[in-house]
Amino acid sequence: EPEVTQTPSHQVTQMGQEVILRCVPISNHLYFYWYRQILGQKVEFLVSFYNNEISEKSEIFDDQFSVERPDGSNFTLKIRSTKLEDSAMYFCASSEASRTSGSYEQYFGPGTRLTVT
Amino acid sequence: LAKTTQPISMDSYEGQEVNITCSHNNIATNDYITWYQQFPSQGPRFIIQGYKTKVTNEVASLFIPADRKSSTLSLPRVSLSDTAVYYCLVGEAGGYNKLIFGAGTRLAVHP
Repeated sequence: EPEVTQTPSHQVTQMGQEVILRCVPISNHLYFYWYRQILGQKVEFLVSFYNNEISEKSEIFDDQFSVERPDGSNFTLKIRSTKLEDSAMYFCASSEASRTSGSYEQYFGPGTRLTVT
Repeated sequence: LAKTTQPISMDSYEGQEVNITCSHNNIATNDYITWYQQFPSQGPRFIIQGYKTKVTNEVASLFIPADRKSSTLSLPRVSLSDTAVYYCLVGEAGGYNKLIFGAGTRLAVHP
């Protein structure tokens, strides 16, 4: 069964450093997402991406964040200058996203645990 | 997006049927009801989706009454591995929409 993969599984960085989290969505999917989950809290939407541009972003997704699909397979989340409060699990997701299918299913990756010290 | 309300936690024992009810009084005509499951340190996983009446797959059943103001996820004969957080989400169909997760229901299955 195809799956979303993410690397690295755990990233430790110092405050102020830049990090890039990588994701490989399922190959025939068209919509890509980033979510985050701070330890013990709920999963929060960050951004959705379609046709090489951002479709929607949340208030969390400020100027410190950016997303990119540098090639036909990878989807990345960059945090330019990390803060302590960016420590969280970051999940990438993708969906086939047919407007006529009625399916709401998004496939999530295993996550990258980001620890900012 | 319709607001959902579900129990914070539930306990069950192996082999029992578990029913988790979600209230969504303000559900809109175009909204579907979807349930996700999340194990610790893993990403959420789609379980089931429905619009009305009953939907069943190999994992669970979803019961939706005619007024669609609530729904019930039914897990038959749970095992220890069903211990997870279960999220009820309500929104327009189409996987292109963002998912808005609430706190979910933390299900603990005991031996």
